Amino acid sequence: GDSVTQTEGLVTVTEGLPVKLNCTYQTTYLTIAFFWYVQYLNEAPQVLLRSSTDNKRTEHQGFHATLHKSSSSFHLQKSSAQLSDSALYYCALSGGYGGSGNKLIFGTGTLLSVKP
Amino acid sequence: EAAVTQSPRNKVTVTGGNVTLSCRQTNSHNYMYWYRQDTGHGLRLIHYSYGAGNLQIGDVPDGYKATRTTQEDFFLLLELASPSQTSLYFCASSDAGRGRTGQLYFGEGSKLTVL
Repeated sequence: GDSVTQTEGLVTVTEGLPVKLNCTYQTTYLTIAFFWYVQYLNEAPQVLLRSSTDNKRTEHQGFHATLHKSSSSFHLQKSSAQLSDSALYYCALSGGYGGSGNKLIFGTGTLLSVKP
Repeated sequence: EAAVTQSPRNKVTVTGGNVTLSCRQTNSHNYMYWYRQDTGHGLRLIHYSYGAGNLQIGDVPDGYKATRTTQEDFFLLLELASPSQTSLYFCASSDAGRGRTGQLYFGEGSKLTVL
């Protein structure tokens, strides 16, 4: 079946160091878009990045991700983590048949903790 | 101005109680969703709808009913609440449709405690 896998439940990194959150997927959907949602403490999830284009780097707020359909991955990276990046991160895909992206599948989330 | 609003934001009820969570969106989106969020499980889809009068079953529907009365309003009903339904509930709307990405826009969340 269709699924999104985030292998790390918790990632701890020191401020200023690079961070990578992993995301892989399985899907049979014909039309797909990929997202990273971020959820800060006591807030609602909000979109951080989105992409539908294979091998194209997408960037926002210092984070970047590249969709690689060959390896079914959409990893999130940042070259220098900040304390304010501490949050829960969800990888998700939106898919459907015939051009509609109405079915969303979320990973289980990765909690990023940035330490001084 | 918030485009997806939920009420109540906090609710405490007892086992067997009746609870209605309300959600209104002003995004003019066709799709609306109800999720629950629990530690270790992430966001799990309860029900969703693609328009007034339509209801689709999600991944964890047991114990929940939902109704979409208008394009703007989507309600989640717990008719016999149980402690296992203690959770943080999020409503969301989506721009899903032909040619759209299906990005979700979330409400602020409703924290439900069932004693």
